[in-house]
Amino acid sequence: AQTVTQSQPEMSVQEAETVTLSCTYDTSESDYYLFWYKQPPSRQMILVIRQEAYKQQNATENRFSVNFQKAAKSFSLKISDSQLGDAAMYFCAYRSANTGNQFYFGTGTSLTVIP
Amino acid sequence: DAMVIQNPRYQVTQFGKPVTLSCSQTLNHNVMYWYQQKSSQAPKLLFHYYDKDFNNEADTPDNFQSRRPNTSFCFLDIRSPGLGDAAMYLCATSVGATYNEQFFGPGTRLTVL
Repeated sequence: AQTVTQSQPEMSVQEAETVTLSCTYDTSESDYYLFWYKQPPSRQMILVIRQEAYKQQNATENRFSVNFQKAAKSFSLKISDSQLGDAAMYFCAYRSANTGNQFYFGTGTSLTVIP
Repeated sequence: DAMVIQNPRYQVTQFGKPVTLSCSQTLNHNVMYWYQQKSSQAPKLLFHYYDKDFNNEADTPDNFQSRRPNTSFCFLDIRSPGLGDAAMYLCATSVGATYNEQFFGPGTRLTVL
């Protein structure tokens, strides 16, 4: 099974500042998909952004962007202009393009936004 | 709105007393997943259905079973809950194509007394 590692259990950022959450993964596959999910306290998990491994261009969704480094197997999430509503647990996830329907999740990063 | 619904949101059961958690979806997705999530941890996949095909994770205890009577519904049965089974249980769906993300329900918080 693939492994996904998030080395920052907790992060904090001042409101309106930028923060980067780290994610690395281990795979022998060349074709796969990567996701960042957000889980606010006591609320359901929602997709923030996704990246196809075959695309070199980094995905962007409004204030959220990724830095995808395929050779380094790194997939970091940058949140710009942080807002109080960004406070949540963030999970990085991997899905193979070829084998099965499983998603592999990292252990998460708890983000605090300081007013 | 199309969504993933889990009932109940909070479930209390007694040690060893069977319990069933339910999940329904209006997205018409062909894949449904059950995850166990303990406090501040990553969701742990228990099993998933691809249409009617059941896929059990190797480390899912035998105490956990699942049923999917139709596309819309999926159930998680815990035959003899132990204290270690207290957790949030998340249901998720996706379309079978691998590009697509999962859509999650709000979860059921299970307490075992």
